[in-house]
Amino acid sequence: QLVLTQSPSASASLGASVKLTCALSSGHSNYGIAWHPQQPEKGPRYLMKLHTDGSHNKGDGIPDRFSGSNSGAERYLTISSLQSEDEADYYCQTWGTGIRVFGGGTRLTVL
Amino acid sequence: EVQLVETGGGLIHPGGSLRLSCAASGFTVSSEFMSWVRQAPGKGLQWVSVTYSGGDTFYADSVKGRFTMSRDSSKNTLYLQMTSLRVEDTAVYYCAKDSSGTAIDYWGQGTLVTVSP
Repeated sequence: QLVLTQSPSASASLGASVKLTCALSSGHSNYGIAWHPQQPEKGPRYLMKLHTDGSHNKGDGIPDRFSGSNSGAERYLTISSLQSEDEADYYCQTWGTGIRVFGGGTRLTVL
Repeated sequence: EVQLVETGGGLIHPGGSLRLSCAASGFTVSSEFMSWVRQAPGKGLQWVSVTYSGGDTFYADSVKGRFTMSRDSSKNTLYLQMTSLRVEDTAVYYCAKDSSGTAIDYWGQGTLVTVSP
């Protein structure tokens, strides 16, 4: 079964960096994912698509502070130079034939 | 510019029906993979259904047999017909466009459906 696992919460200081993790279920380590942040009281938005080779396609206007990477079945989102507006719930998403799957989301708090 | 605007949400009693609409601009709905995603109050995102550009449509088990996704090419609009609604269907419903059948790359602003006695 295709499942994405995320830590429920993460925190980092203003101006620092943070790395969020999204783990693919066993047998699905060759799947790409996407990251979708959701700021408080707003809808989700597309951040980037992370390919299995580690390359990524960002959405319009997404700054270089946001980057993605892979290691085995884990997919990462690194945010550098944290700003207050980065505080959000970050969801990873993947896809298969006839299915779309979301992780449970990681709530990022900027201290 | 791609835009997705959902309408049709509201308060409905259990067992009732509701049809959500998603008006698209900046692209052709019938040529793209489109999804509905929902978010219950205080919860995470949950995939509901996806329709492929070729017409095949798939549903999450929780809505299979009760929800139907369709498209009107003349209006460039996506629909979600919801029947036999349950309290647990209460959520904000988002329309979303896939990037070539992979990642969602555009989201609508959402419409709230409340199912309550």
